[in-house]
Amino acid sequence: SYELTQPPSVSVSPGQTASITCSGDKLGEKYVSWYQQKPGQTPVVVIYQDTKRPSGIPERISGSNSGNTATLTVSGTQAMDEADYYCQSWDNSIVFGGGTKLTVL
Amino acid sequence: QVQLQESGPGLVESSQTLSLTCSVSGGSISSSEYHWSWVRQPPGKGLEWIGYINYSGSTYFNPSLKSRVSISTDTSRNQFSLKLSSVTAADTAVYYCARGQPDRGLGDWGQGTLVTVSA
Repeated sequence: SYELTQPPSVSVSPGQTASITCSGDKLGEKYVSWYQQKPGQTPVVVIYQDTKRPSGIPERISGSNSGNTATLTVSGTQAMDEADYYCQSWDNSIVFGGGTKLTVL
Repeated sequence: QVQLQESGPGLVESSQTLSLTCSVSGGSISSSEYHWSWVRQPPGKGLEWIGYINYSGSTYFNPSLKSRVSISTDTSRNQFSLKLSSVTAADTAVYYCARGQPDRGLGDWGQGTLVTVSA
């Protein structure tokens, strides 16, 4: 079955840029969504169709997808961005990555 | 604004069948635009997609759970349901229902319900 691989954790200093990767075979040929989940809360879509932001998601959150890797980028990281992030794609079914804990130091 | 609400037993005995229902308000489960998913999250772990059903009643399941899962709809009540058979402690998780669109992800989620499998 199809698998998506994410790093377990990423750390970033406030104001800096954080990049979270998601790897899968020929992932660039599929659409990727990204979810943000804060402790005790439900997941929220922050990126869909690789690069699109739902209304209400700040412009400093962006996405890209090419080759075997999709990337979520958080620019000017703030304390409120500290959360778990999950990538998700489709391969005849829905597939989630294992999740990445973003820590703002 | 669509709202989803899970309901069902919070405790299920091992080897029994877990049954949950998702009640949808503010949108019709018969809409051809959306599909209706179940996702679970074991305590302290990541998200796992279980399966979804679309407007025509077609179902798609996680291959690792396919042999134990069924999803159905009740259009008269605007609900969809999950059944997971032969549960073990490994099935203990928060179970979410969610609404999604093809290639757009799962945009709307219920609050989730914790189901614990007892020995």
